[in-house]
Amino acid sequence: AQKVTQAQTEISVVEKEDVTLDCVYETRDTTYYLFWYKQPPSGELVFLIRRNSFDEQNEISGRYSWNFQKSTSSFNFTITASQVVDSAVYFCALSLTNTGNQFYFGTGTSLTVIP
Amino acid sequence: NAGVTQTPKFQVLKTGQSMTLQCAQDMNHEYMSWYRQDPGMGLRLIHYSVGAGITDQGEVPNGYNVSRSTTEDFPLRLLSAAPSQTSVYFCLSGSRTLNTEAFFGQGTRLTVV
Repeated sequence: AQKVTQAQTEISVVEKEDVTLDCVYETRDTTYYLFWYKQPPSGELVFLIRRNSFDEQNEISGRYSWNFQKSTSSFNFTITASQVVDSAVYFCALSLTNTGNQFYFGTGTSLTVIP
Repeated sequence: NAGVTQTPKFQVLKTGQSMTLQCAQDMNHEYMSWYRQDPGMGLRLIHYSVGAGITDQGEVPNGYNVSRSTTEDFPLRLLSAAPSQTSVYFCLSGSRTLNTEAFFGQGTRLTVV
């Protein structure tokens, strides 16, 4: 069975601070895909990143970076120099297919960036 | 989101009423699935389909029916709504063959009173 844990329910930071959102996953499959989605107050789900289990390279996209460590089954997400627009709920998810059929979601981390 | 249309956006039902949540995609995707989002529980898989004529149960299927008679459409049916089905519902569409992201619909907020 697959499971994703986001232990941080709510995080508040002051604007321009860095913040890391934790994600720990469980699966017995050797091929799997990890995702992060952002859900702003408007409610839609915005795709941020997909990473497959064979690619442990860290990724950076602007102020966003992701640290994938198979040894600790973690796929953490860091926002550098946070901005008010980063305030949202962030979900980590696992799928056994690269296009995300049958996602297993974490419970989400609500991030509030205080101006 | 591009190519995935969910209707309605909002709905209020009385206990015991039935309704169908519609999901349509125009990207010729094989994979479609339904999730419900509840506070503190993330999104949970209700039913999924890997192609026309093929459906299967997810994590929380009770109280919901689905069918996939065409590639484009994947409706979710509530036969007898219950207050426990008050939730936000998302449809997801993805390609089995193309290495592209899956797409979520905009969501349907359902309240059962």
